[in-house]
Amino acid sequence: EVQLLESGGGLVQPGKSLRLSCAASGFTFTNYAMSWVRQAPGKRLEWVSSTGTSGDTTYYADSVKGRFTISRDNSKNTLYLQMNSLRGEDTALYYCAALVVVLGAGGWWGQGTLVTVSS
Amino acid sequence: QSVLTQPPSVSGAPGQRVTISCTGSNSNIGAGYDVHWYQHLPGTAPKLLIYANNNRPSGVPDRFSGSKSGTSASLAITGLQAEDEADYYCQSYDSSMSAYLAFGGGTQLTVL
Repeated sequence: EVQLLESGGGLVQPGKSLRLSCAASGFTFTNYAMSWVRQAPGKRLEWVSSTGTSGDTTYYADSVKGRFTISRDNSKNTLYLQMNSLRGEDTALYYCAALVVVLGAGGWWGQGTLVTVSS
Repeated sequence: QSVLTQPPSVSGAPGQRVTISCTGSNSNIGAGYDVHWYQHLPGTAPKLLIYANNNRPSGVPDRFSGSKSGTSASLAITGLQAEDEADYYCQSYDSSMSAYLAFGGGTQLTVL
């Protein structure tokens, strides 16, 4: 069974940092590009960042570019999101996702971890 | 503002057919990138419904179908059931400078 388990969310003050983790199991992690997607309260799904299978290629939404860093440790089957200089508008449920579909397998999401940025 | 445009809401009675459109541009859908569709109940993990424009993952009922033409894609749901009430999102890739991957704005389906 595929599992993506996010952790690391919580309440943080504006300007501070937070690191999210996503532990993957049940599939060959190294075969899949991975992404972070967020949903602010009452808002739509918003793509945040993606990384290729080796972690050498990374992509970011304009809203987080220069503040967030995506990375992965393939030896631990874990995806990370380092979030710096957090703002109120970063408050959201953050999902880890394997959005690529290979031969019908993929499109998996975690349950999300909540990040609240407030003083 | 998403690069993929969906209607904010659609509705239908049980048993009816509804369609949800996803309109993009020549930098995403029109560039040949595949479109995926997700069903989402807020606070839960989104579920993949359609991948690569018109393919259903194992376990997804054949009441759900997808199509793509030009710069647009659509999701059709036939034989509407109460359990279909959810938010639906299209997703594709984008070659413009401002995005790599994009979701549509989401469409809330109400089963009357």
